[in-house]
Amino acid sequence: EPEVTQTPSHQVTQMGQEVILRCVPISNHLYFYWYRQILGQKVEFLVSFYNNEISEKSEIFDDQFSVERPDGSNFTLKIRSTKLEDSAMYFCASSEAGQLAQHFGDGTRLSIL
Amino acid sequence: GEDVEQSLFLSVREGDSSVINCTYTDSSSTYLYWYKQEPGAGLQLLTYIFSNMDMKQDQRLTVLLNKKDKHLSLRIADTQTGDSAIYFCAEADTGGFKTIFGAGTRLFVKA
Repeated sequence: EPEVTQTPSHQVTQMGQEVILRCVPISNHLYFYWYRQILGQKVEFLVSFYNNEISEKSEIFDDQFSVERPDGSNFTLKIRSTKLEDSAMYFCASSEAGQLAQHFGDGTRLSIL
Repeated sequence: GEDVEQSLFLSVREGDSSVINCTYTDSSSTYLYWYKQEPGAGLQLLTYIFSNMDMKQDQRLTVLLNKKDKHLSLRIADTQTGDSAIYFCAEADTGGFKTIFGAGTRLFVKA
């Protein structure tokens, strides 16, 4: 069964550094998403992306965050200047259409030191 | 705003049925989902129900939807130790571009 893949599985970064999290969505899916889950807390929506532009973003997704689909297969989340509170599990998801079920990757655990 | 509420813990004996409950606030949600998260793993889509349905059965899983009360439940028949995980209830936002998750119910299955 096709799946969403995320790399790396664990990223350790110094505070203030830039980090790029990578995702390969399911190939025939058109909608892409990033979520995060701070340890012990809810899964929180960050951003959705369709037709090469952001469809919706949450208040968490401030100017430090950006997303990009640099080629036909990858979908990336960049955090420009990481803060301690950015430490979390980041999940990428994709769906065939906007309201259909989103399929999630296994996540990237981001640890900011 | 939209919110999804679930109880945090459920403990059952192996072989019994588990029922995980959820309430949501957005009455216009078109899809409601159940995801499973095992330790250290991602979110696995278990099942979903369209809002014009009352019930959906998929092998050991039964989803019941009460739209009037905005209540969703997941029943797992013949619960096994491998079912131990966190179960997230979620709803598709009306606009369709995000999924709102509950805090998750941690299911413990005792042998």
